[in-house]
Amino acid sequence: GAVVSQHPSWVICKSGTSVKIECRSLDFQATTMFWYRQFPKQSLMLMATSNEGSKATYEQGVEKDKFLINHASLTLSTLTVTSAHPEDSSFYICSAPTRGAEETQYFGPGTRLLVL
Amino acid sequence: AQSVTQLGSHVSVSEGALVLLRCNYSSSVPPYLFWYVQYPNQGLQLLLKYTSAATLVKGINGFEAEFKKSETSFHLTKPSAHMSDAAEYFCAVSDPVSGGYNKLIFGAGTRLAVHP
Repeated sequence: GAVVSQHPSWVICKSGTSVKIECRSLDFQATTMFWYRQFPKQSLMLMATSNEGSKATYEQGVEKDKFLINHASLTLSTLTVTSAHPEDSSFYICSAPTRGAEETQYFGPGTRLLVL
Repeated sequence: AQSVTQLGSHVSVSEGALVLLRCNYSSSVPPYLFWYVQYPNQGLQLLLKYTSAATLVKGINGFEAEFKKSETSFHLTKPSAHMSDAAEYFCAVSDPVSGGYNKLIFGAGTRLAVHP
């Protein structure tokens, strides 16, 4: 099946710094990608839809100035957590759907962020 | 609005025993339903999906799920557990009208342990 990668797989940073997470579709193009956040023992929560060539669409309650999303190409979307704080510590997961009669979402392995 | 409830955050079975992971959904429209599996340090992998065709859906690795509208359930089963089935399992729902396959709402997940 299709492969989606994320980099880095984990990151530790100091409070107030910004962190960039990359999501790549390795063997297919994706005009749309999705960013999820997962708290311990909780559901994956959709944060935003990343759209190639246009602005991201954020879910209700997600601060767009806090979580900057850029869909630079058909295989790359980035999520930047700006001025990170300890409450931003979480597991961030991206996904990308393949095209076709029935789309299927492929998920990246996730990035664990710890803000000290 | 859609929601998903997975009963049991942890399920433990013996190798060779029946696997039953429960999922109940809430949806104001006929939903699309999914089961994903996540192995350690890997992305979510689609096991199977229901998209208004046959109510009994067969997936990969011997798993199947049955859509029961009267019970608003989509439980995942496998007749005989294998050690390699140990993983985290997520049930998800999407709104085929507004979200299609892409905008997924996840349950909290069930961690399946398989012991010899």
